[in-house]
Amino acid sequence: SAVISQKPSRDICQRGTSLTIQCQVDSQVTMMFWYRQQPGQSLTLIATANQGSEATYESGFVIDKFPISRPNLTFSTLTVSNMSPEDSSIYLCSVPDRINYGYTFGSGTRLTVV
Amino acid sequence: GENVEQHPSTLSVQEGDSAVIKCTYSDSASNYFPWYKQELGKRPQLIIDIRSNVGEKKDQRIAVTLNKTAKHFSLHITETQPEDSAVYFCAASNYQLIWGAGTKLIIKP
Repeated sequence: SAVISQKPSRDICQRGTSLTIQCQVDSQVTMMFWYRQQPGQSLTLIATANQGSEATYESGFVIDKFPISRPNLTFSTLTVSNMSPEDSSIYLCSVPDRINYGYTFGSGTRLTVV
Repeated sequence: GENVEQHPSTLSVQEGDSAVIKCTYSDSASNYFPWYKQELGKRPQLIIDIRSNVGEKKDQRIAVTLNKTAKHFSLHITETQPEDSAVYFCAASNYQLIWGAGTKLIIKP
């Protein structure tokens, strides 16, 4: 399975500021997925990041709020912009597993906005 | 749109007993059904999965069954142990994972 390094693991941020989350994969992958998981909830897909093209956002998520970069096949960033307390959540990146049909997750970023 | 319903939301079983979690999906084109375990404060981990051309798959104490006609699939854990306590998520995929709401499994000693 792919190994994903996700940073930061946690952060406490002031409202109105922005935080950029990074995911580095140890192998090349075509697609990377960004999820949000609010406390006690399931995973919600924010967007799919493809190398060399604009990310595809799910309903309820917009590029201005969650800009994504995908400069190469092993790296992606998600920025949470102009944060409010409602953005407090765990953010996870994920990639398809080349060995089986599953998906591997980064360790997550626990964001608290105060 | 496509959705996955998961039941129950909380399941409490005595250690050593079996636990069953059920999911139904709406997209008949779904062809891949993984189950993830998420311990508190950790990332989801794939524990077992099944593809649509298979009706059942087993891995030690864990098994998954799939009924394509009824569009439902289930996770079975036998001889439950304290370390099985976690939140379990089902998902269904055609080209994108659609997640269930999760089941909190509590193993009582």
